[in-house]
Amino acid sequence: DAGVTQSPTHLIKTRGQHVTLRCSPISGHKSVSWYQQVLGQGPQFIFQYYEKEERGRGNFPDRFSARQFPNYSSELNVNALLLGDSALYLCASSLERGRHYEQYFGPGTRLTVT
Amino acid sequence: DAKTTQPNSMESNEEEPVHLPCNHSTISGTDYIHWYRQLPSQGPEYVIHGLTSNVNNRMASLAIAEDRKSSTLILHRATLRDAAVYYCILRDGGNAGNMLTFGGGTRLMVKP
Repeated sequence: DAGVTQSPTHLIKTRGQHVTLRCSPISGHKSVSWYQQVLGQGPQFIFQYYEKEERGRGNFPDRFSARQFPNYSSELNVNALLLGDSALYLCASSLERGRHYEQYFGPGTRLTVT
Repeated sequence: DAKTTQPNSMESNEEEPVHLPCNHSTISGTDYIHWYRQLPSQGPEYVIHGLTSNVNNRMASLAIAEDRKSSTLILHRATLRDAAVYYCILRDGGNAGNMLTFGGGTRLMVKP
């Protein structure tokens, strides 16, 4: 079975631009979460979506937004990019919500803002 | 989520057991203890989780102190592939959400 897939793998953007990152969860998984990982640190939670609704939001500015589609895939959008947005963006899916359920992470999208 | 404390780094020899400690003195009664690891250039992967009793799976064992204020992840025979950052995470038992709160983790180095 295919794992969580993310696209693109890498991208380079300029300050002030907009970026869209995409995630396809494992087949049958209804929950998708997004994390930001700055070099040398652990991942930080951005959003959780379940059944196409936002169910959790981390401490990130409104420049960050996301959505989940009927097929459970998800997009993360970041507007007005700053240099500090340079990071690895990780998507994770799980079968359901809740603390019992393992999260399966994709390989991430490496975003560089210049 | 309650806070966890882990050593920044540990070293191990290949084919020897490894004990990775985690302190969580402010754990609440409903918090689950989860471990994830992140291999170089990959996303984190689930290792194991437990509530009160010790747990075993094909990857590792989790030993939980009787007062639940600490736990230890045990890799029975370390291999070079086990070199990774290991994260100990408490998941709020009262929160139905999926959020994982990662700390700095322990970087495990395995020597051949």
